[in-house]
Amino acid sequence: KAGVTQTPRYLIKTRGQQVTLSCSPISGHRSVSWYQQTPGQGLQFLFEYFSETQRNKGNFPGRFSGRQFSNSRSEMNVSTLELGDSALYLCASSLEGGVEKLFFGSGTQLSVL
Amino acid sequence: GESVGLHLPTLSVQEGDNSIINCAYSNSASDYFIWYKQESGKGPQFIIDIRSNMDKRQGQRVTVLLNKTVKHLSLQIAATQPGDSAVYFCAENMSSGDKLTFGTGTRLAVRP
Repeated sequence: KAGVTQTPRYLIKTRGQQVTLSCSPISGHRSVSWYQQTPGQGLQFLFEYFSETQRNKGNFPGRFSGRQFSNSRSEMNVSTLELGDSALYLCASSLEGGVEKLFFGSGTQLSVL
Repeated sequence: GESVGLHLPTLSVQEGDNSIINCAYSNSASDYFIWYKQESGKGPQFIIDIRSNMDKRQGQRVTVLLNKTVKHLSLQIAATQPGDSAVYFCAENMSSGDKLTFGTGTRLAVRP
């Protein structure tokens, strides 16, 4: 069974641009969560989607948004990029949501110049 | 990932020795805890979990200890191997929430 797949693996953007990251969960998993990882702040929860609905949201500005499609694939979007948005963005999937049995992808490394 | 661990505390152990990685969690209402391992270029990988109604749980070569009195969690790795070299994170969850709060992480370096 394929694991969680995130694309692209690396991304370089400039301030003010917007970016879209993609996540394909493990087949059959209906929940997708997104986390931001930086050296200074560590791993921080962004949001969780289940059956195309956002169920939970972390403490991030509205520039960070996401969505989930009917096939459970998810995208997250960051608009008006800032230097501080440079981070590893991790997607995790689980069968029915919650925090148990979370499987993480390898992430998308975003660099904002 | 490549951005992980620039300012992390590091534990250096000799191959074959036991490792103990510690974590202080923040919320006394947390009732579920997980240890993750993150290797360079990869996402966190589940190691072992424990609920707050337990104080010890064992897996294969790993043991997690929970001390709720002082809000402390530890991960013990027996007979540490080079493949154990990674960054280790503890994470906590409150039963009322569906998100994990991660600790800052500890880098484990195994000397041959």
